Amino acid sequence: EAGVTQSPTHLIKTRGQQATLRCSPISGHTSVYWYQQALGLGLQFLLWYDEGEERNRGNFPPRFSGRQFPNYSSELNVNALELEDSALYLCASSLGGVTGVSQPQHFGDGTRLSIL
Amino acid sequence: QQPVQSPQAVILREGEDAVINCSSSKALYSVHWYRQKHGEAPVFLMILLKGGEQKGHDKISASFNEKKQQSSLYLTASQLSYSGTYFCGTEIIGTSYGKLTFGQGTILTVHP
Repeated sequence: EAGVTQSPTHLIKTRGQQATLRCSPISGHTSVYWYQQALGLGLQFLLWYDEGEERNRGNFPPRFSGRQFPNYSSELNVNALELEDSALYLCASSLGGVTGVSQPQHFGDGTRLSIL
Repeated sequence: QQPVQSPQAVILREGEDAVINCSSSKALYSVHWYRQKHGEAPVFLMILLKGGEQKGHDKISASFNEKKQQSSLYLTASQLSYSGTYFCGTEIIGTSYGKLTFGQGTILTVHP
């Protein structure tokens, strides 16, 4: 069974540009989560999508946005990139998360975003 | 709201035991435990739900004290493969399911 896949592996941008990161969940999983892991820091929750809807959002500015497609894949968009956006962006997936039962989240290998 | 993990780092010899603690100031739905090796994705270990249950997987087990909002991860007879950073992720009551708030991590190093 294929795991969570993310693309691209690495992305280099300059300040002010826009970045798009992509994630394909494990087959059968309808929930997708995005996390930011800055160097030396823990995992910071960004966004949670389930069945095409945004279910929850972390404490990040509106220039961090995303969407989930009918096939449950997802993309994260970061506009007006700033130097502090440099980080590893991790995507995770799980079985449907709105049923009220906590589900394990399975992570992809991440996209390393570097802002020059 | 970020849970506090202790210790920050621990060094073991193969075969030794370790305990990693995760403490929250908020009431919790659940606690999730993950291990991340350098340059790799976090790997799910186990999930503990409100109710004070204890779970185990091979030589790794965990408990959740609902009254104290504390969880502990127990690693017995450690192996070299246990090395990595351990994170607890908490689902806080009052926010929706799925939003995990992670601790700062505990670095575990196992030497031969």
